Amino acid sequence: EVQLVESGGGVVRPGGSLRLSCAASGFTFDDYGMNWVRQVPGKGLEWVSGINWNGGGSDYADSVKGRFTISRDNAKNSLYLQMNSLRAEDTALYHCARDRSTSSYFGMDVWGQGTTVTVSS
Amino acid sequence: DIQMTQSPSSLSASVGDRVTITCRASLSISTYLNWYQQKPGKAPKLLLYAASSLQSGVPSRFSGSGSGTDFTLTITSLQPEDSATYYCQQSFTAPRTFGQGTKVEI
Repeated sequence: EVQLVESGGGVVRPGGSLRLSCAASGFTFDDYGMNWVRQVPGKGLEWVSGINWNGGGSDYADSVKGRFTISRDNAKNSLYLQMNSLRAEDTALYHCARDRSTSSYFGMDVWGQGTTVTVSS
Repeated sequence: DIQMTQSPSSLSASVGDRVTITCRASLSISTYLNWYQQKPGKAPKLLLYAASSLQSGVPSRFSGSGSGTDFTLTITSLQPEDSATYYCQQSFTAPRTFGQGTKVEI
């Protein structure tokens, strides 16, 4: 079964750091680009970051650029999001999601259920 | 950044109705437009990619059209299980922005 399982969420104070992980199974992980997408409860979806199949290219939303770093370990079938200088507005459910193909042009077809990040003093 | 604007923000329709949701991009994105369905408490589900290509397993009552800046998602013969929020997303360039969503109530 193709599956993505996120972990690492929690409660952190403003200015703090957190590292999210996403464990992939059921498919050849290094055939696909991967992404992080977040959602504030009751609000819309926000694409946060994406990384290509070998980790050689990555992009970020303006809201997290310079604070968040996406990475992957293909040997461990894992995706990561290092989040530094966290702000209250980073509070959300964070999903990892797989690009539908080797290209990032055709949507995200597999999603995890998400891990919750709460930034609060 | 490319802004994606959906309309309407919400709609109410009946079983069997034909429903159309529109999505407008602030710049031309060719056909790099995707549609997702999200039900409460669930992860989003890819419905269509490249504006009009149906994702595997998605019922054929869902269809998409458009190119450039204007796109539509059409649901023919609305079913009770189609009650959800629908999002468009551009994948032309990073950041790969989403529309604000359209809530469909039945």
